[in-house]
Amino acid sequence: AQSVTQLGSHVSVSEGALVLLRCNYSSSVPPYLFWYVQYPNQGLQLLLKYTTGATLVKGINGFEAEFKKSETSFHLTKPSAHMSDAAEYFCAVSSTGANSKLTFGKGITLSVRP
Amino acid sequence: DVKVTQSSRYLVKRTGEKVFLECVQDMDHENMFWYRQDPGLGLRLIYFSYDVKMKEKGDIPEGYSVSREKKERFSLILESASTNQTSMYLCASRSYRPLGETQYFGPGTRLLVL
Repeated sequence: AQSVTQLGSHVSVSEGALVLLRCNYSSSVPPYLFWYVQYPNQGLQLLLKYTTGATLVKGINGFEAEFKKSETSFHLTKPSAHMSDAAEYFCAVSSTGANSKLTFGKGITLSVRP
Repeated sequence: DVKVTQSSRYLVKRTGEKVFLECVQDMDHENMFWYRQDPGLGLRLIYFSYDVKMKEKGDIPEGYSVSREKKERFSLILESASTNQTSMYLCASRSYRPLGETQYFGPGTRLLVL
C-alpha cells in the first residue's frame, strides 16, 4: 500500500519569497514521485517527477524537488514566488511497473501576496 | 500537443437521473482513469482501464460504472445520481510503459446533483 501526506491545506508567501511545499510518502517498493499543479478551473498539469537517477529534479516554472529516501520525502521548492504560482499543488506516488496507479495527497493551496 | 477532453465543463442533474461523463484522448494511450476531486480529500480514483474493454475498480467505485469500447474514449456512468455525487470529475490518460509515465488530465467536469 502507498500513501502521501501533505501537511496543512494552505500556504501563503510573499512575492519573491521562497516557496516550500512538503510531501512525505509511504511505499513498500521504490516509488515514482510526482508533483502536479492545478490552476483555478483547470485540470492537473505535471510540474515534475522522479523516477530514477538524480534525486534533485527540476521542473517547469522554476520549481524543483529532491527525493530523500531516508526521510521518505519529496518536498517542492521554488527560490522566488511569483503571483502566477498561486494554485493548488498535489504530490502523488506510484509504484513501478506498467499499469500502476497514482495515489494523491490532499493538496496544498498556495497563495502569493503582493 | 497532448489533449484530453471532457464532454462538459459544468453539468446540473436531478437525483435519480442517469448521468454520462465522456472523456476522449488523442494520444493513443492505453491507460485511462476517472477521478473524483473534493475539497480536503484530494483526488480519489473511481475506475481505471488498462486497455479497450478492460476496467478495474479504484478506491471509490460504488455508485459508478464505466465503459471503454474504443481506445480513445472512456465513459463514466452514474446509474442513479445522488446528491453525494456532486463533485469535480477528472479524466486522465497515460501511455502503457513501466517507467513512471505521466498522466495527462482533462479540464474536469463540475457536476451538481440537485
